Amino acid sequence: EVQLVESGGGLVQPGRSLKLSCAASGFTFSNYYMAWVRQAPKKGLEWVATISTSGSRTYYPDSVKGRFTISRDNAKSSLYLQMNSLKSEDTATYYCASLNYGGSPDYFDYWGQGVMVTVSS
Amino acid sequence: DIVLTQSPVLAVSLGQRATISCRASQSVSISSINLMHWYQQKPGQQPKLLIYRASNLASGIPARFSGSGSGTDFTLTIDPVQADDIAAYYCQQSRESPNTFGAGTKLELK
Repeated sequence: EVQLVESGGGLVQPGRSLKLSCAASGFTFSNYYMAWVRQAPKKGLEWVATISTSGSRTYYPDSVKGRFTISRDNAKSSLYLQMNSLKSEDTATYYCASLNYGGSPDYFDYWGQGVMVTVSS
Repeated sequence: DIVLTQSPVLAVSLGQRATISCRASQSVSISSINLMHWYQQKPGQQPKLLIYRASNLASGIPARFSGSGSGTDFTLTIDPVQADDIAAYYCQQSRESPNTFGAGTKLELK
């Protein structure tokens, strides 16, 4: 059974940093592109970051580019999201997701249960 | 960015057919490949993949769910609707980056 378990969320002040982790099991982690998707309270879904199987390629939307960094450790089957210079609009539940890749990032196969990040003074 | 437009709410009766639409601001199809996908999200839960590439049923998803469409207009159909299907439904395009989601359609009981 595929499992994705996020951790590291919490309350953080604007301008500070936070690092999220995602522990994967039940599939060959190193064979999959991975991603983070977030959902602000009572809002829709927003893609945040994608990383290739080896970690050599990363992709971000403009809303987080330069502030967020996605990384992975295939030996530990773990995915990370380093979030710097946090803003109130980054407040959301962050989901770790496996990403089907068919020549380009495609659809999100499996999702973790999510971790809440609240940016507030 | 490609904008995906969904109706906010759809009210249906149990046992009836639900048709949820998603319209893209530009085509999300390449040749015969339709890069539109559908997810279900129940309250307090993570999203779950239902349909990929417009019409392919994801693993473990009941056959009462189906998807269709091409170009800019896509539809998710649930027939018949069961009580367990009450949830929000999101479309997502992977035609170009950034991959974007619709705002979601909340399926409610009439």
